[in-house]
Amino acid sequence: DTAVSQTPKYLVTQMGNDKSIKCEQNLGHDTMYWYKQDSKKFLKIMFSYNNKELIINETVPNRFSPKSPDKAHLNLHINSLELGDSAVYFCASSQVYGQGEQFFGPGTRLTVL
Amino acid sequence: EDQVTQSPEALRLQEGESSSLNCSYTVSGLRGLFWYRQDPGKGPEFLFTLYSAGEEKEKERLKATLTKKESFLHITAPKPEDSATYLCAVLNSGGGADGLTFGKGTHLIIQP
Repeated sequence: DTAVSQTPKYLVTQMGNDKSIKCEQNLGHDTMYWYKQDSKKFLKIMFSYNNKELIINETVPNRFSPKSPDKAHLNLHINSLELGDSAVYFCASSQVYGQGEQFFGPGTRLTVL
Repeated sequence: EDQVTQSPEALRLQEGESSSLNCSYTVSGLRGLFWYRQDPGKGPEFLFTLYSAGEEKEKERLKATLTKKESFLHITAPKPEDSATYLCAVLNSGGGADGLTFGKGTHLIIQP
């Protein structure tokens, strides 16, 4: 069983579209995160979500919105996609909030044309 | 703002040739320094946590050490399967979504 899974693995779409990436963790962890890895392979935190509390990195555009239907899922919705949104997006989880030992999903490569 | 700088960006070694990767950091309050390994097309995989200067952790051919300003990942007698990108990260001391702040990584290639 995969600890942290993401779908889809690849996503190709046109500028201006709205898309979603799904994330599920079966580890029973309390906290989930979304990271963005750009073309230079630089990983940056976008959001952390713990016990219904969302903490947003102030540099993230409000076109990005995470939604958590339950503790095991944190989906990422992106509105009005732009070329600069092309990147690999990773979901991660940790047992408790503010823990550096995190378990990452396999990533979703988003390409905006 | 927390900063993490890794060097070298890339390193090519022969199998069995030991070396060290460097991670220097600037944080307002260190809540932990972490090493991860990332294979192509996969998510980062956790390796070590270090909390205080002088601390060391070992796992197989890897040993991580920490000082007040930097961390080293020593690799002893590496094998081709150790080829990967090694990422260093610190836990944000406050603000910014409380996630990890990563360096850009060292791309390590071990040639047979």
